[in-house]
Amino acid sequence: AQRVTQPEKLLSVFKGAPVELKCNYSYSGSPELFWYVQYSRQRLQLLLRHISRESIKGFTADLNKGETSFHLKKPFAQEEDSAMYYCAFPNFNKFYFGSGTKLNVKP
Amino acid sequence: EAQVTQNPRYLITVTGKKLTVTCSQNMNHEYMSWYRQDPGLGLRQIYYSMNVEVTDKGDVPEGYKVSRKEKRNFPLILESPSPNQTSLYFCASSLLQGTGANVLTFGAGSRLTVL
Repeated sequence: AQRVTQPEKLLSVFKGAPVELKCNYSYSGSPELFWYVQYSRQRLQLLLRHISRESIKGFTADLNKGETSFHLKKPFAQEEDSAMYYCAFPNFNKFYFGSGTKLNVKP
Repeated sequence: EAQVTQNPRYLITVTGKKLTVTCSQNMNHEYMSWYRQDPGLGLRQIYYSMNVEVTDKGDVPEGYKVSRKEKRNFPLILESPSPNQTSLYFCASSLLQGTGANVLTFGAGSRLTVL
């Protein structure tokens, strides 16, 4: 069955520290993977997608098919990065989301 | 402004009292979907729709109904709500591409409490 696993419910780091939010997926094909972010009192919004290979707000994510992972990374966390992060992928028209990781960046 | 609008944003109701959460988008998206967000479980898809009169079940459809009579609207219906449907609900829409639904645009969410 398709599944997305985010093993950390909460990740706390200090400002300026590197951060890595883990995402592993279970899918037999070649998925298109996304990271969505939900800042406090804001809507869920797209952060980045693997197909575009961009860096958004300093975040990057690389699809590793061998490890079936799509970890989100940022070399220097900022306080404004504090938010809830969801990894997701669509299988045709069904969407699968992970359980989310709350990132808390401390001053 | 391109957006997905959900109403009501907050609702407290009692077990068994039918309710409808509306969802409307102004982006001419073919694809629309509903999710519930519960602590520790993330977002789980309830239903989705590829276009007018085309709907299908997501992962947790039990206790919910949907309809898609117009392209812009996709209401979520709880015929007989129960306390285990207390949750935060999100509607989202997307353009359809060759491989299916793509980048989702989300509504602000509707917090439902069933007593």
